Amino acid sequence: AQSVSQHNHHVILSEAASLELGCNYSYGGTVNLFWYVQYPGQHLQLLLKYFSGDPLVKGIKGFEAEFIKSKFSFNLRKPSVQWSDTAEYFCAVKAEGFKTIFGAGTRLFVKA
Amino acid sequence: GAVVSQHPSWVICKSGTSVKIECRSLDFQATTMFWYRQFPKQSLMLMATSNEGSKATYEQGVEKDKFLINHASLTLSTLTVTSAHPEDSSFYICSVNRGLKQYFGPGTRLTVT
Repeated sequence: AQSVSQHNHHVILSEAASLELGCNYSYGGTVNLFWYVQYPGQHLQLLLKYFSGDPLVKGIKGFEAEFIKSKFSFNLRKPSVQWSDTAEYFCAVKAEGFKTIFGAGTRLFVKA
Repeated sequence: GAVVSQHPSWVICKSGTSVKIECRSLDFQATTMFWYRQFPKQSLMLMATSNEGSKATYEQGVEKDKFLINHASLTLSTLTVTSAHPEDSSFYICSVNRGLKQYFGPGTRLTVT
């Protein structure tokens, strides 16, 4: 069965620090990969997605993610976080013919 | 602007009663809508896929008779939690796909006392 693992449940950073959130999945075939963000009191929003092509994907708000097929990973990065990045981040994986599986989420708190 | 709306945003009900949650696609017709459940401090879990004009497709482990889904029009899907119990307390979120994007509703927080 497919699964998605997010290694960090809680991350606390100071403003301007660099961010990397881990996401690993288990599925041997072709997958579509997503990162979603949920700001406090708001809907889930799509940050970025990977379907095919360049494994380095740029998203909104300065986020990027790199798909490393050999490692089954799709880590989310941002060079310099801001207080407004405080939110919960979800990695998700969808394989053809299967439902979308979400990771457990990582809560990021950025100290001003 | 918002693409998907849900009503109500928060509902408290007594154990044994039924609660209906609405999900509306605001500016496009959605033949398929998805219902998720999010437990506290946990991720989203797909409960069922709502199909306009036909029966919903439920995920393994989700009780069809307890979580009734009706997708009567291209803009409205409803989830009815029947004979609610405190363990049904959760955050219920619907979503629709529009092209390659997936849009989520704001969610409905259900508290069963």
